[in-house]
Amino acid sequence: DVVMTQSPLSLSVTLGQPASISCRSSHSLVYSDGNTYLNWFQQRPGQSPRRLIYQVSNRDSGVPDRFSGSGSGTDFTLKISRVEAEDVGVYYCMQGTHWPPKFGQGTKVEIK
Amino acid sequence: QVQLVESGGGVVQPGRSLRLSCAASGFTFSHFAMNWVRQAPGQGLEWVAVISFDGSNKIYGDSVKGRFTISRDNSKNTLYLEMNSLRAEDTAVYYCAKVDVYGPDWNLDSWGQGTLVSVSS
Repeated sequence: DVVMTQSPLSLSVTLGQPASISCRSSHSLVYSDGNTYLNWFQQRPGQSPRRLIYQVSNRDSGVPDRFSGSGSGTDFTLKISRVEAEDVGVYYCMQGTHWPPKFGQGTKVEIK
Repeated sequence: QVQLVESGGGVVQPGRSLRLSCAASGFTFSHFAMNWVRQAPGQGLEWVAVISFDGSNKIYGDSVKGRFTISRDNSKNTLYLEMNSLRAEDTAVYYCAKVDVYGPDWNLDSWGQGTLVSVSS
């Protein structure tokens, strides 16, 4: 199975400051169709996960442009350019390339 | 917009059974594979099972294989998860999740709000 490793597992950020979360996979996430199915999900307290980013760097509809994704192969990053109060929650990377799909451990983002 | 509404959770004794449902709307249900994902209290996310758009193919995670059955009724736009021989470690919020239009049948996009299953004597 593919292992997804996130870091850090916890992040305390001052409002308006940037934040960055790393996600590494044990195998390349390039699929047979040439695309890379690496997604980022946000889970706010008491809510279900919501996808923010798909295929490494594409923002879902309604996602603020302060969120961006980058990376390739086995190394990926989610960046929040200026953290707002509503960004508090847990962020998960998820690989949808290989079976079984796997999630990272989650990164808890809180406001300092 | 996509809406997924799970139901059927509750408290159940170890060894007993429970059936979860997920009512889908806002998209053509019969065109998309569907998944179940669970989250134990205070823990991360664990993929459980996937069913193809027409129900002909089903794949399960190792922790539920042989005990859980995923199914669907495309005429009712509803996904199901039949859970048998329940164990304490099955205690979790269970989410149904729609597959993305791109990629394999387990590449997820939209999720429901979840239903809590608690296995306890």
